[in-house]
Amino acid sequence: NAGVTQTPKFQVLKTGQSMTLQCAQDMNHEYMSWYRQDPGMGLRLIHYSVGAGITDQGEVPNGYNVSRSTTEDFPLRLLSAAPSQTSVYFCASSPQRGNYYGYTFGSGTRLTVV
Amino acid sequence: AQKITQTQPGMFVQEKEAVTLDCTYDTSDQSYGLFWYKQPSSGEMIFLIYQGSYDEQNATEGRYSLNFQKARKSANLVISASQLGDSAMYFCAMRGANTGNQFYFGTGTSLTVIP
Repeated sequence: NAGVTQTPKFQVLKTGQSMTLQCAQDMNHEYMSWYRQDPGMGLRLIHYSVGAGITDQGEVPNGYNVSRSTTEDFPLRLLSAAPSQTSVYFCASSPQRGNYYGYTFGSGTRLTVV
Repeated sequence: AQKITQTQPGMFVQEKEAVTLDCTYDTSDQSYGLFWYKQPSSGEMIFLIYQGSYDEQNATEGRYSLNFQKARKSANLVISASQLGDSAMYFCAMRGANTGNQFYFGTGTSLTVIP
C-alpha cells in the first residue's frame, strides 16, 4: 500500500517557468488537498478537492491550478513560477466523511524558484 | 471561523522528562476532531494522536497523550519520558464536521530534546 505519492521530491525552476507537481493516492480517499509550508507560517491550504471533478480554493490559491479527473490523482500546476512560490509543498488525502479521519501526507516537494 | 493557535514557537526539554505542547482552538462546530502531527527534520508529516470533541476521556498513544479541556478549547500534547528522537516540529490541527471537513493547522512548535 503506497499511500500518497508525490513527485518530484526536489525541483528548481526559473522565474516564469511552469510545472506540475504530481500527487497520487491508492486508498480511495475522496478528499485531497495541497498545502505549502513556509517557516513560521505552518501549513497553508492552496486547493482542495472533495471528489473527482470537484475542486475549490483554499487560503492561498493565486498562481496555482488544480484538477481532479480521477479519484486517485490530484496534480498541482504552477502557471508562471515566482520566487514567492519557493516553498515545501505537501499533498494529503483523507476519507471525506467524518471529522475523525486524519490526513495521510505525501513526502513533500521542495521547490526553489530562482 | 476556525482557528488553531500554538503559542510556543520553540521548546526545550531534558531527555527523560515530560513536556507539554500547547494548542488552543476556536470553532463554532459542535462536532470536530483534533489531531497532532510530528514533522522530524527529514520533513515527513507523521500522525501522532486524535481526540474527538465528544470523547470523554483523553486520548493516549504510547508516550503521547492529549490533555483535552473542551470548555477552555485547548488540546495540549503531552510527551512523557522524552527521547532524542522526539526533537521535531509538532503541529496541532482541527477538522470540523460543519466546515466542509477542512483541516486547520497551527503554526507549529519546534521541540528540542537535550541529552
